[in-house]
Amino acid sequence: ETGVTQSPTHLIKTRGQQVTLRCSSQSGHNTVSWYQQALGQGPQFIFQYYREEENGRGNFPPRFSGLQFPNYSSELNVNALELDDSALYLCASSPLAGTDTQYFGPGTRLTVL
Amino acid sequence: KQEVTQIPAALSVPEGENLVLNCSFTDSAIYNLQWFRQDPGKGLTSLLLIQSSQREQTSGRLNASLDKSSGRSTLYIAASQPGDSATYLCAVKKAGNMLTFGGGTRLMVKP
Repeated sequence: ETGVTQSPTHLIKTRGQQVTLRCSSQSGHNTVSWYQQALGQGPQFIFQYYREEENGRGNFPPRFSGLQFPNYSSELNVNALELDDSALYLCASSPLAGTDTQYFGPGTRLTVL
Repeated sequence: KQEVTQIPAALSVPEGENLVLNCSFTDSAIYNLQWFRQDPGKGLTSLLLIQSSQREQTSGRLNASLDKSSGRSTLYIAASQPGDSATYLCAVKKAGNMLTFGGGTRLMVKP
């Protein structure tokens, strides 16, 4: 157990809808990263938040957005869902931005029909 | 753009075998390299982290090596057990915050 929790565990949406995924970081961690993992592939970096501000972004369109709250919980929002957004979404927290160790949550499995 | 490749994509071995998983990366200017384990439908568990200045790291039956100049890392698993069955992912980190992952090696250890 890493202390990082994610909700919901599974989610089914239809194309064009919007979705919000949630992550609760390990206590004391002020940095959270989000990754998308398509079936059979490695995770891809979406973005990172440090002290409530975006602190790095991968090659994802603006319809992927995020928030980090003062208690260091985090949300990933995806608008205008597409079929290819179906994936396991992982969040990872770390004590400080740039530190080596990231602790991953169990993920949210999103299916877009 | 950093690309990470893992070979083989899948591996099935009998219990007790020693095995090697391979990871290669295209840009040698990395900060560190990390090996993760992922059980089906689950999150990632960090196994070993090698800083760019290091050659290898060991934890129990696991040994990871890093040759930064050639862009290669190997994960050696000694005396494999059925409980080792999982997907193994390597990831490299450059200066900055993102990890770049390989596609993983799916390992099955048969009793």
